[in-house]
Amino acid sequence: DAGVIQSPRHEVTEMGQEVTLRCKPISGHDYLFWYRQTMMRGLELLIYFNNNVPIDDSGMPEDRFSAKMPNASFSTLKIQPSEPRDSAVYFCASSGTPYGYTFGSGTRLTVV
Amino acid sequence: RKEVEQDPGPFNVPEGATVAFNCTYSNSASQSFFWYRQDCRKEPKLLMSVYSSGNEDGRFTAQLNRASQYISLLIRDSKLSDSATYLCVVFGGSTDKLIFGTGTRLQVFP
Repeated sequence: DAGVIQSPRHEVTEMGQEVTLRCKPISGHDYLFWYRQTMMRGLELLIYFNNNVPIDDSGMPEDRFSAKMPNASFSTLKIQPSEPRDSAVYFCASSGTPYGYTFGSGTRLTVV
Repeated sequence: RKEVEQDPGPFNVPEGATVAFNCTYSNSASQSFFWYRQDCRKEPKLLMSVYSSGNEDGRFTAQLNRASQYISLLIRDSKLSDSATYLCVVFGGSTDKLIFGTGTRLQVFP
């Protein structure tokens, strides 16, 4: 099993541009989570899906952020327009249970 | 108040030392507890679950005190490879998602 796969590993973009982060969960895992990590705030849950359905998006900062899971093997997190304060490491995690998480390697986003 | 609170450290200890980390959580209805480890510029990985009776995994011992809403992790005979950030994690209660503390950084020196 290849684990949770995220792309890209690094993204540098200019303020105002659209950014799309991608995640492929572990096959058979019903839960998918998007987290953001910064030095100041640690790991924050943005949104999670169960069986491709968004369950809790209360952590999504604002309307500039959106997430989709069109099928069991793919999810995207989009930021439009991006701002410098969105700079962080974004992790995707999947699980076959509500709490047995496996994290991807993360996407390090820098907005200049 | 944060849902999960940890001392950020860093804890700087020599090889062979014993070191303990503490964590408190605010939701008394929380059901499950974990310690994750995160190496620099890597993803978090599950280190161990924490059971009510306390549990041990090699050099690592985890304890839970539900009355005080307190979790601890003890590392004996520290190795250089133990240098990492240790995240206290809580599940359940009013939410069915993992809540992470901001982590405690450990640096083991020769």
